[in-house]
Amino acid sequence: GQQLNQSPQSMFIQEGEDVSMNCTSSSIFNTWLWYKQDPGEGPVLLIALYKAGELTSNGRLTAQFGITRKDSFLNISASIPSDVGIYFCAGQLGGAGGTSYGKLTFGQGTILTVHP
Amino acid sequence: EPEVTQTPSHQVTQMGQEVILRCVPISNHLYFYWYRQILGQKVEFLVSFYNNEISEKSEIFDDQFSVERPDGSNFTLKIRSTKLEDSAMYFCASSVMGNTEAFFGQGTRLTVV
Repeated sequence: GQQLNQSPQSMFIQEGEDVSMNCTSSSIFNTWLWYKQDPGEGPVLLIALYKAGELTSNGRLTAQFGITRKDSFLNISASIPSDVGIYFCAGQLGGAGGTSYGKLTFGQGTILTVHP
Repeated sequence: EPEVTQTPSHQVTQMGQEVILRCVPISNHLYFYWYRQILGQKVEFLVSFYNNEISEKSEIFDDQFSVERPDGSNFTLKIRSTKLEDSAMYFCASSVMGNTEAFFGQGTRLTVV
């Protein structure tokens, strides 16, 4: 099946620093999503990307859908303590009426720790 | 803001027992999903459901698992005979269409003893 490689596995940063994480895949996805998960909670959607090359921002978060459709990155600017958590990328084939319509494949996650 | 709700938040069951995990998807969503997350690992797809039938299922979703939409609001996951390795967080999710973003519930922590 499809695999997503997410890096880095963990990050320890100071409050105020910028953060960058990325996901790569050996195969194409038609949609890339970025989620944040707090301990004991469900994944919360941060950003959804639908077009190759698309760059989308949500407050201090910026994400891009790679031109090849095989990668995506997420940047967090001016980190704050509440940014702590696990960040997951997820890819979706989303082909209408085709295989894997709706199914998300998740990366392994990036654990972010922010020191005040 | 509409959200996916799951009950119970925590379920402890004895090995071999049947469990039913319940979900209420967002009301105008048409696609429903179950995912599983073993402690410390990534989120894994179990099954997708549309138009009252399974659209796709993973290798994890074997004959011990079943899903049902018993009425217009609930979506359930049943595990017929639980095993120790079924212990995990189970997340329900829903989306308007199959190629739009999925929203997740808070999860049910299943502990099989």
